[in-house]
Amino acid sequence: NAGVTQTPKFRILKIGQSMTLQCTQDMNHNYMYWYRQDPGMGLKLIYYSVGAGITDKGEVPNGYNVSRSTTEDFPLRLELAAPSQTSVYFCASRKGARDNSPLHFGNGTRLTVT
Amino acid sequence: DQQVKQNSPSLSVQEGRISILNCDYTNSMFDYFLWYKKYPAEGPTFLISISSIKDKNEDGRFTVFLNKSAKHLSLHIVPSQPGDSAVYFCAASDRDSNYQLIWGAGTKLIIKP
Repeated sequence: NAGVTQTPKFRILKIGQSMTLQCTQDMNHNYMYWYRQDPGMGLKLIYYSVGAGITDKGEVPNGYNVSRSTTEDFPLRLELAAPSQTSVYFCASRKGARDNSPLHFGNGTRLTVT
Repeated sequence: DQQVKQNSPSLSVQEGRISILNCDYTNSMFDYFLWYKKYPAEGPTFLISISSIKDKNEDGRFTVFLNKSAKHLSLHIVPSQPGDSAVYFCAASDRDSNYQLIWGAGTKLIIKP
């Protein structure tokens, strides 16, 4: 099993550009999450999904969009990149929420906006 | 406001000794707590968890203690090994927030040979 796979690993964007961060998981997990981690801070939830076709905002959704057309894929879209979006982005999945099953993380995408 | 706080950004421990990482929380509705470990250029990986109905959970060298009255939990690693050098995150969840995890800022543990 590959687990949670994120691409790309690194990306540099100019202000105003757009991009999609890809995330796919092969564990048949219903729940998927996007987090960002800024230096010296904990993980902040951007968006999450409880199943295909269902998405919801997290703590810091502004400037981002997501879609969940399949169980496996949960891409994160940045439409107009801003320097404040410079961060490391982690995608995660888990089997359920009520059972407090642990999150499985990808290895992250390091994004720099200049 | 930080609901989950890890007040020590870093900790240095001699190999073979005990490492104690601390975590404080403010929300009394949190009912489940988890510790994750993170190596550079990798995502966090789950280490150990504890439900609020317990005060201790042990898994090999790792033990988590929960003190609900003090709103404090700690992770003990005994004995510490070089491979334990990593960043450790504390996280908490409650059913009222749809089991979303609230994360601490992490503590970087350095095990000295």
